[in-house]
Amino acid sequence: DAGVIQSPRHEVTEMGQEVTLRCKPISGHNSLFWYRQTMMRGLELLIYFNNNVPIDDSGMPEDRFSAKMPNASFSTLKIQPSEPRDSAVYFCASSLLDGNTIYFGEGSWLTVV
Amino acid sequence: GENVEQHPSTLSVQEGDSAVIKCTYSDSASNYFPWYKQELGKRPQLIIDIRSNVGEKKDQRIAVTLNKTAKHFSLHITETQPEDSAVYFCAANAGGTSYGKLTFGQGTILTVHP
Repeated sequence: DAGVIQSPRHEVTEMGQEVTLRCKPISGHNSLFWYRQTMMRGLELLIYFNNNVPIDDSGMPEDRFSAKMPNASFSTLKIQPSEPRDSAVYFCASSLLDGNTIYFGEGSWLTVV
Repeated sequence: GENVEQHPSTLSVQEGDSAVIKCTYSDSASNYFPWYKQELGKRPQLIIDIRSNVGEKKDQRIAVTLNKTAKHFSLHITETQPEDSAVYFCAANAGGTSYGKLTFGQGTILTVHP
């Protein structure tokens, strides 16, 4: 299996621009998670989906952040407009619905200048 | 919600020594406790996990212990090697209907000196 696939791997964008991060979970996995990692706040869960349905978005920092999962093999995390404080590594992860082992993608390294 | 505390934040050992990292959690309904290793610039990768019906689990040089009464669990690495140097994260799941939702500790930077 190719694992969780994320794109882009690196993005540098200017403040105010829209950023879209993409994720393809492991085939057969029906839970998908978006995490953000920073030095100050560690690994934070932003949102997670079960069977394409958002279950808990309490970690989404503000309305500038939105996430969708239109089908079982694709999810997006969008930031609009982006701000310098959004600079972080964004990890997508997936797992089986009735299992707990979560597998992370390689991450998307976002820098907002 | 779940709160996971991890200590120490940094740990420096000599090659061949043992390393112990400790975590506490707050949600008594948590029943799954994984440990992840993250090398610089890489993704977190699962190294070992334990479920609440087990008190200890070993995998070669790595072991994890769980005390549900005290709500704490620990990672033990024996005979450490330089390639063990990384950031280690503990995590606990949310109970109830959110079994897959993990809350992570703040991480421990382990440095193994040759």
